[in-house]
Amino acid sequence: GQNIDQPTEMTATEGAIVQINCTYQTSGFNGLFWYQQHAGEAPTFLSYNVLDGLEEKGRFSSFLSRSKGYSYLLLKELQMKDSASYLCAVESDSWGKFQFGAGTQVVVTP
Amino acid sequence: DVKVTQSSRYLVKRTGEKVFLECVQDMDHENMFWYRQDPGLGLRLIYFSYDVKMKEKGDIPEGYSVSREKKERFSLILESASTNQTSMYLCASGGQGAKPQHFGDGTRLSIL
Repeated sequence: GQNIDQPTEMTATEGAIVQINCTYQTSGFNGLFWYQQHAGEAPTFLSYNVLDGLEEKGRFSSFLSRSKGYSYLLLKELQMKDSASYLCAVESDSWGKFQFGAGTQVVVTP
Repeated sequence: DVKVTQSSRYLVKRTGEKVFLECVQDMDHENMFWYRQDPGLGLRLIYFSYDVKMKEKGDIPEGYSVSREKKERFSLILESASTNQTSMYLCASGGQGAKPQHFGDGTRLSIL
């Protein structure tokens, strides 16, 4: 079956770094995607990895190891506005279907 | 920027009504998707379409149908609305081959 796991909640202090882990077991793999979702809003695309390694986009970085079925999203210099749910998603077939994790709620405290 | 537009942000309907949710994208994407999102259950795929007039069932298609007559428009239909279909409905579009999906603002649907 398809399985994507990520922690339910993480708390960190403003200015700190937080790492959100995602492990996956899917029937296929074409890429791994990270989304941010503020309460009551739609998910917005942050970053994606197709090949192993680190992708950096400003304060956000995402890492992938396909052999381990593992990814993480790194949020640096945390700001209060980063308080949101972060969704990990795997494109698991050639049609472009995604399997989503349940999301990690990140709470940034002053 | 990709723009995915859903016809309503909030909608209230009655049990047994036929409900139409519309979604339009402006990026000429082949793929379009309908999800529902409920607390504790995450995003669940209802239906998706990879081309005009083509549709495939997702994980929870029961009680729903879809229509894609034009590439830019993907409609979700609740044939006879029930209270357990009260949810946030999200439309997304994306290209094929490891491309991100982009979401509309969502429709918060309440069935009374």
